[in-house]
Amino acid sequence: DIVMTHTPLSLSVTPGQPASMSCNSSESLLHRDGKTYLSWILQKPGQSPQLLFYEVSNRFSGVPHRFSGSGAGTSFTLKISRVEAEDVGVYYCMQTTQLPITFGGGTKVEIK
Amino acid sequence: EVQLVESGGGLVQPGGSLRLSCVASGFTFSDYWMTWVRQAPGKGLEWVANINQDESRQFYVGSVKGRFTISRDNAKNSLYLQMNGLRAEDTAVYYCANGGGYFWGQGTLVIVSS
Repeated sequence: DIVMTHTPLSLSVTPGQPASMSCNSSESLLHRDGKTYLSWILQKPGQSPQLLFYEVSNRFSGVPHRFSGSGAGTSFTLKISRVEAEDVGVYYCMQTTQLPITFGGGTKVEIK
Repeated sequence: EVQLVESGGGLVQPGGSLRLSCVASGFTFSDYWMTWVRQAPGKGLEWVANINQDESRQFYVGSVKGRFTISRDNAKNSLYLQMNGLRAEDTAVYYCANGGGYFWGQGTLVIVSS
């Protein structure tokens, strides 16, 4: 199974400041079809998960442009250019390149 | 507006069974793979199973193989998860999601306890 690892596990950010978090996979997520099936998912407190990015950097509908996703192979990054209070929650990376689908344990973002 | 509404959760004794349902609206259900993901209390997300558009392919996480069965009814825009031989470690909120997690339901809580 592909293991997904988040760094850091938690992040405390001042509103208006940038934030960055990483996700590494134990194997390359490049599929034989040429796509990389790495998604970022946010779970706000008390809510269901919601998709932020799919295929590394494709922003899902309604996701603010202060969020960006990048990376390739086994190393991926999610950045928030200016954190807002509504961005608190746990950010998960998820790979769907290979079964079983696996999630990282998440990075918890808090506001200072 | 896309909606996924799960139901069927509840309290069940170890070894018991439950059938979860997920009714979809706002998108063409039959065009998408569908997925069940669970979240144990205070824990992260765990993929459980998914099924392709015409039910010809189903896949499961190892811990539920042989106990859980995913199915769908495209005429009813519905996804199901039949859970047999339930164990304490199956206690979780179960979410349905379309495709690779484009949209998620609100979840239904399954508690396995005597």
